[in-house]
Amino acid sequence: AQKVTQAQTEISVVEKEDVTLDCVYETRDTTYYLFWYKQPPSGELVFLIRRNSFDEQNEISGRYSWNFQKSTSSFNFTITASQVVDSAVYFCALSGANSGYALNFGKGTSLLVTP
Amino acid sequence: DAGVIQSPRHEVTEMGQEVTLRCKPISGHDYLFWYRQTMMRGLELLIYFNNNVPIDDSGMPEDRFSAKMPNASFSTLKIQPSEPRDSAVYFCASSLGLGGTGGPRGANVLTFGAGSRLTVL
Repeated sequence: AQKVTQAQTEISVVEKEDVTLDCVYETRDTTYYLFWYKQPPSGELVFLIRRNSFDEQNEISGRYSWNFQKSTSSFNFTITASQVVDSAVYFCALSGANSGYALNFGKGTSLLVTP
Repeated sequence: DAGVIQSPRHEVTEMGQEVTLRCKPISGHDYLFWYRQTMMRGLELLIYFNNNVPIDDSGMPEDRFSAKMPNASFSTLKIQPSEPRDSAVYFCASSLGLGGTGGPRGANVLTFGAGSRLTVL
């Protein structure tokens, strides 16, 4: 069985603060994929990143960075110098090579960035 | 590339009526997924298809729900009869199977439609 836990339901920060969104996963698959999606207030789901289970390199894209640690089954997402436009619900998701290609989503973390 | 297209964007209906949601996936994608989003349950997978064949429908709530994919460019999700508890946003998504890269159109990256917001009164 696969499970994604996003323990933080809501986070509120002031603009320019750094914020980390936590994601912990469970899977029996040896090959799996981890994802982050963003859902802004407009409602669409926007792909941010995909990582393979055999690639633990951290990734940075502008103000966004991701920390993948297999030892702790975590795939955390950090936004540096947050901006109001970062306000959204962020979903972590997991798919496994032996579990089909559908994504199992966490419950999401609602991030509010205030000026 | 127009992305995944869903219709209608909004649907308000009365309990007991039939509801049909439609989806056009990205051309060339071989997987199609239907998800439902509610406040209580979050994003739930209802069913997914590979090459137009249903692979896993274990998430379909009950017999009132049915999904079809008659060809590679069209899928429907039907609810008959609808109930107030079916009120939710229904998302369609499509993807390529594994074998490609991880970019925005890479393998196993789901591209979602804008969603269909269903309200059953």
